[in-house]
Amino acid sequence: DTEVTQTPKHLVMGMTNKKSLKCEQHMGHRAMYWYKQKAKKPPELMFVYSYEKLSINESVPSRFSPECPNSSLLNLHLHALQPEDSALYLCASSQGTGGGSNQPQHFGDGTRLSIL
Amino acid sequence: AQSVAQPEDQVNVAEGNPLTVKCTYSVSGNPYLFWYVQYPNRGLQFLLKYITGDNLVKGSYGFEAEFNKSQTSFHLKKPSALVSDSALYFCAVRPVFNAGNMLTFGGGTRLMVKP
Repeated sequence: DTEVTQTPKHLVMGMTNKKSLKCEQHMGHRAMYWYKQKAKKPPELMFVYSYEKLSINESVPSRFSPECPNSSLLNLHLHALQPEDSALYLCASSQGTGGGSNQPQHFGDGTRLSIL
Repeated sequence: AQSVAQPEDQVNVAEGNPLTVKCTYSVSGNPYLFWYVQYPNRGLQFLLKYITGDNLVKGSYGFEAEFNKSQTSFHLKKPSALVSDSALYFCAVRPVFNAGNMLTFGGGTRLMVKP
């Protein structure tokens, strides 16, 4: 069983809808990540939160809006998405992001998003 | 900038035979290296990591990996493959002193183990 929980597992939405993806971890990790993964490709980093503050935004379009309400939760708010945004969205967490951090990232099972 | 190459899109092996999934990397300075496995409709599962020390690293499910600094490689190995090992495998690297814990992933290798 994964220690990072993502909901929903599947989401179908129209291009005008607003929805949110949720991620939760209770491992005491202080870093959380959002990735986008297309089929049979490696994950692409979108955002990094460190101690509940956004530390990295990999030039992601503004139709994706991350939020970290507390150290255990991470949301990804979606609005006016495009068909090319259809993908598996993965959340991950790790103990930290410091320069010497060698701890692995732990991934959830993702939300499979389809844009109609 | 760092990079990771997994030269084989797919590796086929018979059950019971040894398997190797190749990974080479390029990074400034010393690397942290990771292997992850992804089963269908699942997220990435951490298998093992190289930080420092012994070049042979043992991980989950009987997998191991050998770090070779001169060849800048970190190949994943298992002495006896199982059908259940069939999955997508990703190698990842990050420089030791890289703020943000940002991983660079290889393109992935699909492992097919046939009975």
